[in-house]
Amino acid sequence: GAGVSQSPSNKVTEKGKDVELRCDPISGHTALYWYRQSLGQGLEFLIYFQGNSAPDKSGLPSDRFSAERTGGSVSTLTIQRTQQEDSAVYLCASSAGYEQYFGPGTRLTVT
Amino acid sequence: QKEVEQNSGPLSVPEGAIASLNCTYSDRVSQSFFWYRQYSGKSPELIMSIYSNGDKEDGRFTAQLNKASQYVSLLIRDSQPSDSATYLCAVYSNFGNEKLTFGTGTRLTIIP
Repeated sequence: GAGVSQSPSNKVTEKGKDVELRCDPISGHTALYWYRQSLGQGLEFLIYFQGNSAPDKSGLPSDRFSAERTGGSVSTLTIQRTQQEDSAVYLCASSAGYEQYFGPGTRLTVT
Repeated sequence: QKEVEQNSGPLSVPEGAIASLNCTYSDRVSQSFFWYRQYSGKSPELIMSIYSNGDKEDGRFTAQLNKASQYVSLLIRDSQPSDSATYLCAVYSNFGNEKLTFGTGTRLTIIP
C-alpha cells in the first residue's frame, strides 16, 4: 500500500517568510509525528497527534512553529517568520501501534 | 546522560563479516525497541523491532535485547556494501512519554 507522503520535497524560502509543510499518513494510522533533522544530526521530535486527543507539542522549538491535523488524517506543519536556523529536513511519520513509518521528508532551506 | 546512546562511529566492517551495532537506554520501563536504517539523504526505514528479551532474527539481521542490562543490539551477518548507512536505535516507553526516543545513530561502512 501507499506509504507516508510529504510535500513539497524541497522548499527554499527567504528569511522572514512563512512556510507550510504537508504530510499524508498511511491510511488507517491514528498517530502522526513530526521530526526535524539538521545536517548530520539526530532526529528532533517536534509534535505528536494521536486520534482526537490534544496533540503533544512539547518538542516545538518556539511559538513560530505550529501544526494541525485535519480529520484525523492530513497534517500541516507551519513555520512563521522563518529563520536560517530552521533550515533542516522535516520528517513526518505515522503509526498504527508502536512502529513508526517515515515519509521522504521536506528539505527546507532558509536563505 | 542521554536517554538512548549509540556509538556514533564510523564503524568499518569488511564485506562478508558480521557488523555489530550497540545501543543502551536509560528508561528502565521502556518496552519496545526498534532499529532504523538511514541512507545518506534519505529518511529512516524501519528494519527491526523487538519487544522481549532474547534474539529476533530476520534474514541477515538479528536484534538482541537485554532489558536487565538496558541494552539492545543489531547484528548484520554477511555484510554487504549496500548495508553502508547510519543505523538509528529507537526506544518506546508506554508510560507517560508515549513517543519514540532516538539515538543519534551509528554510521556503518562496509568495505568491499
